[in-house]
Amino acid sequence: GAVVSQHPSRVICKSGTSVKIECRSLDFQATTMFWYRQFPKQSLMLMATSNEGSKATYEQGVEKDKFLINHASLTLSTLTVTSAHPEDSSFYICSGVGEAYEQYFGPGTRLTVT
Amino acid sequence: AQRVTQPEKLLSVFKGAPVELKCNYSYSGSPELFWYVQYSRQRLQLLLRHISRESIKGFTADLNKGETSFHLKKPFAQEEDSAMYYCALRFKGAQKLVFGQGTRLTINP
Repeated sequence: GAVVSQHPSRVICKSGTSVKIECRSLDFQATTMFWYRQFPKQSLMLMATSNEGSKATYEQGVEKDKFLINHASLTLSTLTVTSAHPEDSSFYICSGVGEAYEQYFGPGTRLTVT
Repeated sequence: AQRVTQPEKLLSVFKGAPVELKCNYSYSGSPELFWYVQYSRQRLQLLLRHISRESIKGFTADLNKGETSFHLKKPFAQEEDSAMYYCALRFKGAQKLVFGQGTRLTINP
């Protein structure tokens, strides 16, 4: 099956700094990728839709200037959390859309902001 | 608004017992429904979709448009079924998924 990787798997950063998370489709091309946020023991919350070669579409309530998304190639999307604060600490998951619109999920990145 | 509801956050059954995870949805159109599973320390993965009408790992789910439900069932639970289960809806022709809150299933030996 199609595989999506994320890097790093976990990151700790200081408050006020920025951190970049990469999402790669390893064996398929993903014109569309999604970024989710998952709080402990809660469901996945869609943050934004990342489209190759165009601007990301953000869900209501998600600050686009804080969560910068870049989808420069058919196999890579990045999420940059700018000026991170402790409340941004969470589990971030990406997915790539393959054939028949099926989503393949990455393993997630745990971000801790101290 | 489109919504997926999983009324049970936690469900615990004994090995060999039947299990049913409930999922209800609200959507005015013709949705596509899915069940995803997340085993401990693993990524989210597709378990089954209503359009395939298949049985995966002994699980089945039938879309009931009248009751707007897509409950997941298995006649005899196994310990390896312990996981987090998410019901999800996709608008026809779209790519975005709407997830339910998830149900943590624990199978007791």
